[in-house]
Amino acid sequence: SAVISQKPSRDICQRGTSLTIQCQVDSQVTMMFWYRQQPGQSLTLIATANQGSEATYESGFVIDKFPISRPNLTFSTLTVSNMSPEDSSIYLCSVDRGRATYTQYFGPGTRLTVL
Amino acid sequence: RKEVEQDPGPFNVPEGATVAFNCTYSNSASQSFFWYRQDCRKEPKLLMSVYSSGNEDGRFTAQLNRASQYISLLIRDSKLSDSANYLCVVTDSGGYNKLIFGAGTRLAVHP
Repeated sequence: SAVISQKPSRDICQRGTSLTIQCQVDSQVTMMFWYRQQPGQSLTLIATANQGSEATYESGFVIDKFPISRPNLTFSTLTVSNMSPEDSSIYLCSVDRGRATYTQYFGPGTRLTVL
Repeated sequence: RKEVEQDPGPFNVPEGATVAFNCTYSNSASQSFFWYRQDCRKEPKLLMSVYSSGNEDGRFTAQLNRASQYISLLIRDSKLSDSANYLCVVTDSGGYNKLIFGAGTRLAVHP
């Protein structure tokens, strides 16, 4: 498995502001993923982030709202822009260690509350 | 129709009981299948992969029926520590490793 950390672990933000969430992995990985888990719901993939290329966004998610950076093979950021209360959620990053297993390991998540 | 469907539960069982969870998926092109567990206010953690031949890991047994697009998880001799939300997960048929999560089945094991 991988050791994954996220910062911040939680935050309370005012509507209209932006928050950048960091995800750090203890080893180099090709693919990193960002998910959202709304209260009482399962995980929904926001985007896939590969180093050196633009992130691939899922239907319903756009780069202007959720810009992603992937500057190297151990780090990624997700920004939640112009926040509204509907963005209150847990945001999780995950990594795929490859070897064609398709298993993903998750960071501890960032619990975001927008007032 | 949801891509991955699970009975939300909760399943309330006594310690030592055997409990089975079911899951169906809609995409016949899905290639990989998993069970994850998620404890309250924690991240999902891989419990086990699911193979066509079925596989067992201690008290946990997973089965896959591709023809019926059906996955199961059997937990024997339930422990209090098994209480969690169990997520059925399948890969998308796309070229990258997109995972589709079910909403989970909640298990509560009581003394």
